[in-house]
Amino acid sequence: GAGVSQSPSNKVTEKGKDVELRCDPISGHTALYWYRQRLGQGLEFLIYFQGNSAPDKSGLPSDRFSAERTGESVSTLTIQRTQQEDSAVYLCASSIHMADPGGTQYFGPGTRLTVL
Amino acid sequence: AQTVTQSQPEMSVQEAETVTLSCTYDTSESDYYLFWYKQPPSRQMILVIRQEAYKQQNATENRFSVNFQKAAKSFSLKISDSQLGDAAMYFCAYRSGGGGADGLTFGKGTHLIIQP
Repeated sequence: GAGVSQSPSNKVTEKGKDVELRCDPISGHTALYWYRQRLGQGLEFLIYFQGNSAPDKSGLPSDRFSAERTGESVSTLTIQRTQQEDSAVYLCASSIHMADPGGTQYFGPGTRLTVL
Repeated sequence: AQTVTQSQPEMSVQEAETVTLSCTYDTSESDYYLFWYKQPPSRQMILVIRQEAYKQQNATENRFSVNFQKAAKSFSLKISDSQLGDAAMYFCAYRSGGGGADGLTFGKGTHLIIQP
């Protein structure tokens, strides 16, 4: 596709359930980023991938969060045992390469997660 | 850790007028990049303009320009000839130039309203 896509667009779940969020980056982009945006807040960086490697997972909010990436394509962000505090919009972005810190990050439309 | 502060939660401007959005940041690094992103109601973040810290010349992109004051750690965005389509949330963001493990660090955003 022409841009970054994310699915689902919206997800409503019950507290304690697991959810999986998907991101398809722009073809050819080796770097992929996940951010969280709570209501009325700026974006909070969670994790990045260069290829399928995520060297630093310290930005993930808790051990209930995990992320994977298949090669240089799809990434999934999994939240286990969801809590109401996990309610937010989860945004994914991709860029050509992580080694270019000034490079444009292209964002997807996000997944709005609501935990009841 | 770097921080980005946007002190104006909301700004309003008449169509065709000029508006300036403020941003300050805190860092001990000398090599970094600054960005302004626009987030319309569709949630998709769009890069408006970027500035490399080692470049003294202020970046411009058509009606958008920045006033980058490195010593003061200030990075304001000026929008000239405001248009209805400029209405959105605007986020200031910072990224280290060291090519490290961080993503973008965002401010909390400024909601820009364009009055017809």
